[in-house]
Amino acid sequence: DIQMTQSPSSVSASVGDRVTITCRASQGIDSELAWYQQKPGKAPKLLIYTASSLQSGVPSRFSGSGSGTDFTLTISSLQPGDFATYYCQQANSFPYTFGLGSKVEIK
Amino acid sequence: QVQLVQSGTEVKKPGSSVNVSCKASGDTFSGYSINWVRQAPGQGLEWMGRIIPIVDIANYAPKFLGRVTITADKSTTTAYMELSSLRSEDTAVYYCARDHDDGNYFDSWGQGTLVTVSS
Repeated sequence: DIQMTQSPSSVSASVGDRVTITCRASQGIDSELAWYQQKPGKAPKLLIYTASSLQSGVPSRFSGSGSGTDFTLTISSLQPGDFATYYCQQANSFPYTFGLGSKVEIK
Repeated sequence: QVQLVQSGTEVKKPGSSVNVSCKASGDTFSGYSINWVRQAPGQGLEWMGRIIPIVDIANYAPKFLGRVTITADKSTTTAYMELSSLRSEDTAVYYCARDHDDGNYFDSWGQGTLVTVSS
């Protein structure tokens, strides 16, 4: 299985801050990576696919980059609704695997 | 945009089986896969397997091989996930999710079904 390692596991930030979360794959996955946002008690929401494509309806303050093994999710200016847990997911090979999550908390 | 509606909360005994359904509406099954992802309390997301209803082909995560069966009924646009030999570690919220046009990413999710395994 491809292991997905996210960091940090949690980050404290304020509204307006720039937040960066990284995800590293244990082997190359080209650009077959997605980012999800999950709020408590809710299903995950797709934010970014193919590493850098913004899902329809997702605000442009979210962006993704990377290829191969190293990927980044950036929130350019944190908004109140962005406090949540973020997961990366590799879609390159079975079984699809997720990172353990990065929780963005209010400072 | 597809809507996925799952069956309700289940409480099961260890060793028994559970069957969770996922009905799709607003779009067809055609050409998409339905995936099953679970989340134990306070934990991360775990992909269990998927089915492509139009060709009735299923793929499973090795961890669940032999214990999970994913099926689909095209006539009712409903997918099913059966997990057998339940143990306490299977207590989780189970989600169905449809894949994206551009790859194996999950852009539509069901509301989740809580399965509790307890004696």
